[in-house]
Amino acid sequence: AQTVTQSQPEMSVQEAETVTLSCTYDTSESDYYLFWYKQPPSRQMILVIRQEAYKQQNATENRFSVNFQKAAKSFSLKISDSQLGDAAMYFCAYSDSNYQLIWGAGTKLIIKP
Amino acid sequence: KAGVTQTPRYLIKTRGQQVTLSCSPISGHRSVSWYQQTPGQGLQFLFEYFSETQRNKGNFPGRFSGRQFSNSRSEMNVSTLELGDSALYLCASSLSGQLYNEQFFGPGTRLTVL
Repeated sequence: AQTVTQSQPEMSVQEAETVTLSCTYDTSESDYYLFWYKQPPSRQMILVIRQEAYKQQNATENRFSVNFQKAAKSFSLKISDSQLGDAAMYFCAYSDSNYQLIWGAGTKLIIKP
Repeated sequence: KAGVTQTPRYLIKTRGQQVTLSCSPISGHRSVSWYQQTPGQGLQFLFEYFSETQRNKGNFPGRFSGRQFSNSRSEMNVSTLELGDSALYLCASSLSGQLYNEQFFGPGTRLTVL
């Protein structure tokens, strides 16, 4: 069965600095997508970034980028120039042809002003 | 375009009762997924519907059921509530539910079972 592991329950970073959140996954599928979702306190879950497994190039969305290591089954999220509004729970998720998202346990990101 | 809406936002029930939660997807989206979020178990997939058909179901007991209507709106039902059913229930919609589709989430329904 597919699994997603986030080993960092909580991370903190100084405002304007860079932070990297870790995620590893396990699957035997060849075609799948990986996602990072953000859940701010008492607010809705929103997509931060996604990566197609067959694409070698790492996805980037403004200050957010991923380091996708397919062989190592690793999918980390880098947030550059951290802002107070980045404070949230960050979830790594996996999707394949089974029409479901499989989630990691989440990492709580704290931004220190 | 209006986002995903879920009603009610909060519910308090007692053990043994049943509850129905509703989800209205973004206009044009035909896939609706449901997730349970708890501090202990995290986010767990309940089921996914597309064009009124359930395509996948998570590892939950038969007390959890759902359906989707022809306008893509979806409901989930939990019968014979247990204390452990207390959770945030999230609904998400996407265009077709394909693995590459972004899922858009609603605000959730907070269910408390006493």
